[in-house]
Amino acid sequence: RKEVEQDPGPFNVPEGATVAFNCTYSNSASQSFFWYRQDCRKEPKLLMSVYSSGNEDGRFTAQLNRASQYISLLIRDSKLSDSATYLCVVDTGNQFYFGTGTSLTVIP
Amino acid sequence: DTEVTQTPKHLVMGMTNKKSLKCEQHMGHRAMYWYKQKAKKPPELMFVYSYEKLSINESVPSRFSPECPNSSLLNLHLHALQPEDSALYLCASSPQAGYEQYFGPGTRLTVT
Repeated sequence: RKEVEQDPGPFNVPEGATVAFNCTYSNSASQSFFWYRQDCRKEPKLLMSVYSSGNEDGRFTAQLNRASQYISLLIRDSKLSDSATYLCVVDTGNQFYFGTGTSLTVIP
Repeated sequence: DTEVTQTPKHLVMGMTNKKSLKCEQHMGHRAMYWYKQKAKKPPELMFVYSYEKLSINESVPSRFSPECPNSSLLNLHLHALQPEDSALYLCASSPQAGYEQYFGPGTRLTVT
């Protein structure tokens, strides 16, 4: 069983749409959670950490549900520049485990 | 400044060559990582250095040899690679293990 499961998509949404990504993890002892975005042929960039209370950064909202072992990312008012692959990451305190990534294309 | 630098950006090498990849950070981070990423796949962890000591080696073949000369530098020495080793090699650092990681731009390696 994979440590982190993520729907690979692709998600193709119009500009201005709201889109949500989910990710599940298998290790209940996981300690830290993150969302990264990766543009084509570039490195992953930290988008946001995910906290138990949920957190928001502008148009982006991240949620963590420890009981059900999933994390989510909500993007509101999608922009063309949001097109990228979104990677959820779970840290057990020992190492990062990456999801397979979800591809998002925002269409004009 | 959350910058991790990597050199070279691109590298083409034959199967008998020896080359090194370099990574540098000046954020005072005490954990540094090497990842390998193939197209359309997530990064795969290769090595973790914590406080300049190798703490994780994910069963990587011995043709890859990491080195951490000091807390700011991380090298990956390459020898007798195979064509299937062609990939993007990413370096990352974090304040300590278990914290958010910051990635360098990567070295795109082609083995011929």
